[in-house]
Amino acid sequence: DTEVTQTPKHLVMGMTNKKSLKCEQHMGHRAMYWYKQKAKKPPELMFVYSYEKLSINESVPSRFSPECPNSSLLNLHLHALQPEDSALYLCASSQDSSSYEQYFGPGTRLTVT
Amino acid sequence: EDQVTQSPEALRLQEGESSSLNCSYTVSGLRGLFWYRQDPGKGPEFLFTLYSAGEEKEKERLKATLTKKESFLHITAPKPEDSATYLCAVRSSGGYNKLIFGAGTRLAVHP
Repeated sequence: DTEVTQTPKHLVMGMTNKKSLKCEQHMGHRAMYWYKQKAKKPPELMFVYSYEKLSINESVPSRFSPECPNSSLLNLHLHALQPEDSALYLCASSQDSSSYEQYFGPGTRLTVT
Repeated sequence: EDQVTQSPEALRLQEGESSSLNCSYTVSGLRGLFWYRQDPGKGPEFLFTLYSAGEEKEKERLKATLTKKESFLHITAPKPEDSATYLCAVRSSGGYNKLIFGAGTRLAVHP
């Protein structure tokens, strides 16, 4: 089973709201990732967690705050977002941070109004 | 600097009309080239990993090949359900599992 699940599927939020995106995998993977994808563009890496510790932050603004409560779960907390943050947010996982294949979830479509 | 370039940007085929998608890459020390399929509004679906020149992988109507400078995704006798964006990515030479994606090829297969 190579399934990564994400909730919610769609999210609309105002610029003053606080919301969270959730990602879950039950493949025993120890590396998890957040990507952002704008329309007709490829995914762009935001964060990498390895063994529940943040290992990479690709210079993402602090209004995005990741959290990894355990090895199966990954959250992305959102606060004071801008309309240009509207995008498809993708979660992915891999066996570990040196393992090559990453498996993606279906994504959360975020609209900031 | 690691770079991935895909061509063509878009491709329209008739059902049954075979073709190839190209992925050119520049990376210092290839540690994996990946092909993904992405349907609109969905996450990328993993297809293949290639590690060394000469390697080939097949899955149904798809066949991926790799040289020292590029990879091809060959689609044999495509069907409308093969319509999607096909993304190529390489693992960054920067020492961690960051994927560098190409812009993708949008494939449309018409009956």
